[in-house]
Amino acid sequence: NAGVTQTPKFQVLKTGQSMTLQCAQDMNHNSMYWYRQDPGMGLRLIYYSASEGTTDKGEVPNGYNVSRLNKREFSLRLESAAPSQTSVYFCASSLWTSYEQYFGPGTRLTVT
Amino acid sequence: EDQVTQSPEALRLQEGESSSLNCSYTVSGLRGLFWYRQDPGKGPEFLFTLYSAGEEKEKERLKATLTKKESFLHITAPKPEDSATYLCAVQAANNNAGNMLTFGGGTRLMVKP
Repeated sequence: NAGVTQTPKFQVLKTGQSMTLQCAQDMNHNSMYWYRQDPGMGLRLIYYSASEGTTDKGEVPNGYNVSRLNKREFSLRLESAAPSQTSVYFCASSLWTSYEQYFGPGTRLTVT
Repeated sequence: EDQVTQSPEALRLQEGESSSLNCSYTVSGLRGLFWYRQDPGKGPEFLFTLYSAGEEKEKERLKATLTKKESFLHITAPKPEDSATYLCAVQAANNNAGNMLTFGGGTRLMVKP
């Protein structure tokens, strides 16, 4: 039982490049989330998927897109990376949106 | 707007020296308050959920309590392995954004042997 897994662990991009962060959970959870964590800003919600087939914006969605591929997988895409997107990205899942969330190990992204 | 403030930002303790971490919050109707532990380079690890004032939860050396304005994480006789950043988050009852969590900035706890 791996919980929430994320790939890659580290990534360096140049401004304007695109990439997709992958997330998968094996806990049969319905809801999944993408956060970013920045020093002094805490954890902020980018997008979430309350259930398979739905996605919604969180607090800081600009510059990102998401896809809920199936119940297990939720990806985050940066179409044209900017230095302001340098951050640590965490995926999380929960049984439903009102339940406690379980986090993955994170992806450390640097945009130069 | 929901707000969560954690204090202190950093806390240094000697092994065995008990203390408390504070999480003050303002929220338009509390659905739940969550405590997480985060080790360097890792994702937050869920510890507790508290739903109503007066509720308490315990796990090993940790005890979380809740009032209408704040939550405390009491650490009894801490050990070096308790060193981590402790995060508090609230979830509003009338939050339309997927029951979004609002996180505090965290308290970095360092326990010296």
